[in-house]
Amino acid sequence: DSGVTQTPKHLITATGQRVTLRCSPRSGDLSVYWYQQSLDQGLQFLIQYYNGEERAKGNILERFSAQQFPDLHSELNLSSLELGDSALYFCASSVEGLYTDTQYFGPGTRLTVL
Amino acid sequence: AQTVTQSQPEMSVQEAETVTLSCTYDTSENNYYLFWYKQPPSRQMILVIRQEAYKQQNATENRFSVNFQKAAKSFSLKISDSQLGDTAMYFCAFSLQGGSEKLVFGKGTKLTVNP
Repeated sequence: DSGVTQTPKHLITATGQRVTLRCSPRSGDLSVYWYQQSLDQGLQFLIQYYNGEERAKGNILERFSAQQFPDLHSELNLSSLELGDSALYFCASSVEGLYTDTQYFGPGTRLTVL
Repeated sequence: AQTVTQSQPEMSVQEAETVTLSCTYDTSENNYYLFWYKQPPSRQMILVIRQEAYKQQNATENRFSVNFQKAAKSFSLKISDSQLGDTAMYFCAFSLQGGSEKLVFGKGTKLTVNP
């Protein structure tokens, strides 16, 4: 158990809908990262938040947005869903500061868009 | 931009034998970090081993060790005494700042350990 929690575990929805994925980082970790794992694109970085502020953006679609709240949990919002958004979405967290050892991953949320 | 390449989509090994997974990367930076993550059928991403580019000594973690060749931009993972529980996808990853920056992943190698 990495200490990072993600809810829900599975999500099945229809095209055009909007969903919210939730992540709680390890206790004390200020940084949260979101990654998407799909069959065709592999594991891709989406976005990073540090202590409530956006720090880095990757290949995140405009239909996707995220935020980190004062209690440091983060939410990834996916809207106008398409079939191609079906994927495993991971959240990871790391401690404050540069050159920390690694990121710890949550169990992921499997999104299926029908 | 940094890229990571894993040229072996699938590999298999007999239980108790040794297997080596390959990874190459491309960067113009001198300081960076390399990782191997394991993803078993449960889909959990588990850190196996990490290597700082400024350290010449290859990292080891029990049965897992790396062969880091900085000039060749190569970072292979050796698994000794393979166990059935080692069956998983293995991902090589790159980061400029250890755990404080995005990870760039390779496509992965599916390893099967046969009894």
